[in-house]
Amino acid sequence: EAGVAQSPRYKIIEKRQSVAFWCNPISGHATLYWYQQILGQGPKLLIQFQNNGVVDDSQLPKDRFSAERLKGVDSTLKIQPAKLEDSAVYLCASSSRQGSTDTQYFGPGTRLTVL
Amino acid sequence: AQSVSQHNHHVILSEAASLELGCNYSYGGTVNLFWYVQYPGQHLQLLLKYFSGDPLVKGIKGFEAEFIKSKFSFNLRKPSVQWSDTAEYFCAVRSGGGADGLTFGKGTHLIIQP
Repeated sequence: EAGVAQSPRYKIIEKRQSVAFWCNPISGHATLYWYQQILGQGPKLLIQFQNNGVVDDSQLPKDRFSAERLKGVDSTLKIQPAKLEDSAVYLCASSSRQGSTDTQYFGPGTRLTVL
Repeated sequence: AQSVSQHNHHVILSEAASLELGCNYSYGGTVNLFWYVQYPGQHLQLLLKYFSGDPLVKGIKGFEAEFIKSKFSFNLRKPSVQWSDTAEYFCAVRSGGGADGLTFGKGTHLIIQP
């Protein structure tokens, strides 16, 4: 079974530029998550999708971050404009949501550096 | 709101030593608990999880964890560590019964010296 795919793996941009990340979850997984992991900290949930609908985006900085999952499969996360403090690894995870035995599987992440 | 506290940010052990990594969480309701590991250059992988039942859960590579509800703890243990256990370890919590996002601790960087 193929895992969660993410691209690009690395991205370097200057502040105030825009950037987009892509995620393709494990086939058949209905739930998709985006996390932000700043150096020295654990991942922090940004947004959760169930199929193509948003379940939780309470921690997403909506003035600059946006995400979509139009067809309920792959997803993109965008930052516009980027700030220095957005430098982090952006992780995508997916789960099949089989009731209470749900487990999240993580992709390799995209490391963003904002100069 | 949920929170997770991992007591040790950096741990250095010699091979064959015993390991215990502390994890405490704050959440009043039913919880699901997880330990994830990130080996150098690799992505986060699930070590073990607790949903319900026997509070002593066993995971991959000889790891186990014990859920102590009265102490809000879910400590990770391994009786004899190997050099290949060098990695970052994250404890995570989620409200039970759903597919909500996880709340992670800050992680423990474990270095095993040969």
